[in-house]
Amino acid sequence: AQTVTQSQPEMSVQEAETVTLSCTYDTSENNYYLFWYKQPPSRQMILVIRQEAYKQQNATENRFSVNFQKAAKSFSLKISDSQLGDTAMYFCAFMKQGGGADGLTFGKGTHLIIQP
Amino acid sequence: DTAVSQTPKYLVTQMGNDKSIKCEQNLGHDTMYWYKQDSKKFLKIMFSYNNKELIINETVPNRFSPKSPDKAHLNLHINSLELGDSAVYFCASSQGWQADYGYTFGSGTRLTVV
Repeated sequence: AQTVTQSQPEMSVQEAETVTLSCTYDTSENNYYLFWYKQPPSRQMILVIRQEAYKQQNATENRFSVNFQKAAKSFSLKISDSQLGDTAMYFCAFMKQGGGADGLTFGKGTHLIIQP
Repeated sequence: DTAVSQTPKYLVTQMGNDKSIKCEQNLGHDTMYWYKQDSKKFLKIMFSYNNKELIINETVPNRFSPKSPDKAHLNLHINSLELGDSAVYFCASSQGWQADYGYTFGSGTRLTVV
C-alpha cells in the first residue's frame, strides 16, 4: 500500500508571498499519478494540479507549480503571488496507474492561511 | 450544472437510525467512489464501484453499503448509526478505474450522529 506524508499541518504567509507545501510518498510502483487538491471552507474538493510520474517536466497551472523529484519521492506545491482565496486545506494525493482498490490515497493535509 | 451532487449537505440523526446519502454525477463517468473525512480532515476511501465491480475497503463496517440504481448514481446506506460515524462523506467519480485525471468530488455531506 502507498503512503503519503504532509509534514506541515499548518502554514501562514502574507498575501502576495510565495509558499511551498511539502509532500513525500512511499510506493514500490513505477508508474503513477500525483495530485494536489484544495479544500476551501466551502468543503468542496478542487483539483489544483496533477503530475504523471513518467514525465520529468514539472506541471504548472497559472500560479501553481510543482517540484517533482521521483527518486526522492517528493512532490511539493509552490503557490506564487498568494491570494486570500488560496486559504484552504491542501491535500497531496497518490494513485498508481490503473487505479485499483486503494484509489486516490491522500496525505493528512496542510492548512494554508493567507494573511492580508 | 453541478458535476457531482450529494444530498443532503447536512444530516443530523440519532444513534441506531438508518440513513442514506444520495450521489449523482452528470459527467458520464462510469466509476464512482465514497470517501470518509474524519474530524482531523483525513480522507479515506470506503468504496470504489463501476457497473461490474465493487471494491470495499476492508476497514469499512458492513453497516455501510453502496447501492447503484444506474451508472449516474451511487447512494450510501448506513444502518444502525453509531457516534463514530460522524464525519463528512464525499462522493466522487472518474472515467474508468484508470482515473488519470483524478476524481471529481461532490461537496460532501456532514453527518452528525447524536
